[in-house]
Amino acid sequence: ETGVTQSPTHLIKTRGQQVTLRCSSQSGHNTVSWYQQALGQGPQFIFQYYREEENGRGNFPPRFSGLQFPNYSSELNVNALELDDSALYLCASSTSSANTEAFFGQGTRLTVV
Amino acid sequence: QKEVEQNSGPLSVPEGAIASLNCTYSDRVSQSFFWYRQYSGKSPELIMSIYSNGDKEDGRFTAQLNKASQYVSLLIRDSQPSDSATYLCAVNTNAGKSTFGDGTTLTVKP
Repeated sequence: ETGVTQSPTHLIKTRGQQVTLRCSSQSGHNTVSWYQQALGQGPQFIFQYYREEENGRGNFPPRFSGLQFPNYSSELNVNALELDDSALYLCASSTSSANTEAFFGQGTRLTVV
Repeated sequence: QKEVEQNSGPLSVPEGAIASLNCTYSDRVSQSFFWYRQYSGKSPELIMSIYSNGDKEDGRFTAQLNKASQYVSLLIRDSQPSDSATYLCAVNTNAGKSTFGDGTTLTVKP
């Protein structure tokens, strides 16, 4: 059974650029949630994808968008990067859209300069 | 007021002691509750899930839930230096939204 994997592990981008982060969900999981974690804070919920549809969104602007593919892998896209977007981006997969245990990937450390 | 609040810590206990971590939440419709452990520079790792009032034990860990008081706790018995980490409380609603607290940093001193 493969776990949740994210790519890349580290990334440096310039303010105003766009970035795409990728996540492969754990085998048998159809739900992927994305989080942003700033230093010293808990993960902040960005959105969740369930069977290729967005299923819940946190307080993030529209320049944060996502996709889920038929194999349940997912992408997080961030446009017009700002310095405050620098954070650890976490992806978690689970077996359903609510109330089930979620397992995290190793994260992508994004630095915006 | 934050939706999920945890003792900011840091919490320091001697090896072999019981560590008690607390969490309160504001959304009464919350349905499921989780504790994660996060080592510095790593991603969160699921330790416990609890869905109904009462206690749930798994090895050295016990989660306690009181929905009337909107309170969740995690007890770690026989604390070990390897338990030193940040512990995150997470609360889910049926809408699929997960809300995390900012975590409590635990240090277990040998």
